[in-house]
Amino acid sequence: AQTVTQSQPEMSVQEAETVTLSCTYDTSENNYYLFWYKQPPSRQMILVIRQEAYKQQNATENRFSVNFQKAAKSFSLKISDSQLGDTAMYFCAFRGLVSGNTPLVFGKGTRLSVIA
Amino acid sequence: EPEVTQTPSHQVTQMGQEVILRCVPISNHLYFYWYRQILGQKVEFLVSFYNNEISEKSEIFDDQFSVERPDGSNFTLKIRSTKLEDSAMYFCASSGKRGAPYNEQFFGPGTRLTVL
Repeated sequence: AQTVTQSQPEMSVQEAETVTLSCTYDTSENNYYLFWYKQPPSRQMILVIRQEAYKQQNATENRFSVNFQKAAKSFSLKISDSQLGDTAMYFCAFRGLVSGNTPLVFGKGTRLSVIA
Repeated sequence: EPEVTQTPSHQVTQMGQEVILRCVPISNHLYFYWYRQILGQKVEFLVSFYNNEISEKSEIFDDQFSVERPDGSNFTLKIRSTKLEDSAMYFCASSGKRGAPYNEQFFGPGTRLTVL
């Protein structure tokens, strides 16, 4: 079974600074997807960024980028120019490609606080 | 932009009572899911549904739980006899629009269930 580990329960960053959230996972599959979800106080789950395992190029979405190290099974999220609105829980998630509706496996999350 | 909706946003019930949580997935999506998040913990998969039947379920999804797609638009989660430990945020998600990349799962805003 796949597992996702986020080793940082809480982090804080000054506004406009850069922060990196860590995620490691364990799987025997070769092709899969990785995701970062943001959960603000409203509790809505919002997709931040995704990465396909067969793509070597790291995904980037505006201020959000990932460092995907497939051999190390590591998938960290970098937030540049942090904004107060980035304050939220961040969940790393894994999805295999066994079938079209393989469920997501989530890590325990990292609570990020952006400080003015 | 289409979105997944869930009702109610908050449900309070007495232990032993039945509850039905409702979701309207994104139109023309093919796969439907329920996840739950106990306060302060990670998001956990409950069940996935495709072609009018359960395609996968977790250990959490025992005989007290059932899912249904009664009318082609709603997707419901029923808990027959609620327990205190069922108190959680329940998220519905859908995916599988034909031709969409990643088979991204779109989450609803969640229903907070409180069992007293």
